[in-house]
Amino acid sequence: DTGVSQDPRHKITKRGQNVTFRCDPISEHNRLYWYRQTLGQGPEFLTYFQNEAQLEKSRLLSDRFSAERPKGSFSTLEIQRTEQGDSAMYLCASSSFRQSTGELFFGEGSRLTVL
Amino acid sequence: AQTVTQSQPEMSVQEAETVTLSCTYDTSESDYYLFWYKQPPSRQMILVIRQEAYKQQNATENRFSVNFQKAAKSFSLKISDSQLGDAAMYFCAYIPNNNDMRFGAGTRLTVKP
Repeated sequence: DTGVSQDPRHKITKRGQNVTFRCDPISEHNRLYWYRQTLGQGPEFLTYFQNEAQLEKSRLLSDRFSAERPKGSFSTLEIQRTEQGDSAMYLCASSSFRQSTGELFFGEGSRLTVL
Repeated sequence: AQTVTQSQPEMSVQEAETVTLSCTYDTSESDYYLFWYKQPPSRQMILVIRQEAYKQQNATENRFSVNFQKAAKSFSLKISDSQLGDAAMYFCAYIPNNNDMRFGAGTRLTVKP
């Protein structure tokens, strides 16, 4: 399977704990995106990378959030000192900069529940 | 600011009938892409159809077609011959000049047998 994969699919944690999500994009894609989606809402942009460079960050991405893509392949999204408001689905998507259509390919998401 | 508005939180259609989902967007760009994505319950987002803003011809993919009105900044999705498998959340999305994609709040489509 060469689609976007995310791990873990589900994470339940207690408030104040740190969590980390991993995303493996489609192998030839050099752009990688993180979105957050709450129940009944559309995905909200968090950040994106082109290769290993983080090109844009949303104001939604507070200081407790950090994303990395150290070798331009997989990416991690870490949330420190989790709060109940962080409960959401975290979606990863990838695309090819050379692709003229701009389509994003999504993973199945990582669902976070903060108790 | 670039925003995407879907004014229909929920829509319902009878199987085999046609339904149209609405989307408007706000942008100062002249070159951009528009998309409709489908998100079935507990499943990943998949692309339904895309439209390049520089193309006047409306995109069509089998039973799915769009009505793109650039001046009005409107991008509606028409689903013909609706099937039970079309039931899902549908998101309108906009991407300017190959940058990050922005989504509307979604429309939940129910298909009645």
